[in-house]
Amino acid sequence: RKEVEQDPGPFNVPEGATVAFNCTYSNSASQSFFWYRQDCRKEPKLLMSVYSSGNEDGRFTAQLNRASQYISLLIRDSKLSDSATYLCAVRDNTDKLIFGTGTRLQVFP
Amino acid sequence: GAVVSQHPSRVICKSGTSVKIECRSLDFQATTMFWYRQFPKQSLMLMATSNEGSKATYEQGVEKDKFLINHASLTLSTLTVTSAHPEDSSFYICSATDRARNTEAFFGQGTRLTVV
Repeated sequence: RKEVEQDPGPFNVPEGATVAFNCTYSNSASQSFFWYRQDCRKEPKLLMSVYSSGNEDGRFTAQLNRASQYISLLIRDSKLSDSATYLCAVRDNTDKLIFGTGTRLQVFP
Repeated sequence: GAVVSQHPSRVICKSGTSVKIECRSLDFQATTMFWYRQFPKQSLMLMATSNEGSKATYEQGVEKDKFLINHASLTLSTLTVTSAHPEDSSFYICSATDRARNTEAFFGQGTRLTVV
């Protein structure tokens, strides 16, 4: 079983739609959780950290469920510029950051 | 904010040659850096943890003699792909965390290696 798993997609949604991604992790000792955005042939950029209480940044909401070992990302009012691959990442107690396979999002007009 | 610089951004080499990739933390000291590899349409796979002043720690399945890592200073880690083959063609990317400020991981710009 992979340490961090995501549905690879692609998710094709119209502008203005709400889309949600889930990610599961296997290491219960994981310390920190993140969502990254990666554009084609570029390095990942941090989108947001994920906190136990859930957190929101504009149109983006992230949630963590430690008991079920999954994290989620909700994007509201999708924009064309949101088209990218969204990677969840989990940091363990050795500081290693392990990535999921990424979920590809394509927003169309 | 903290910046990690990676060089070169793109390299094409012949089979059998070696390629060195540099990763620098520009405004913080990085005792630990991480090297990843990403094949097309796949995720970033952790290859190894680079430790300043000591040997790197390699993930299972990564050949330490093929992927030489040197972390001689607190701001520089290098990855050398030795005797490169076409199957080594990939996107290599490093990351580092500013532990003093407990920041998130910062990534270099990545190196696209093509072995012909």
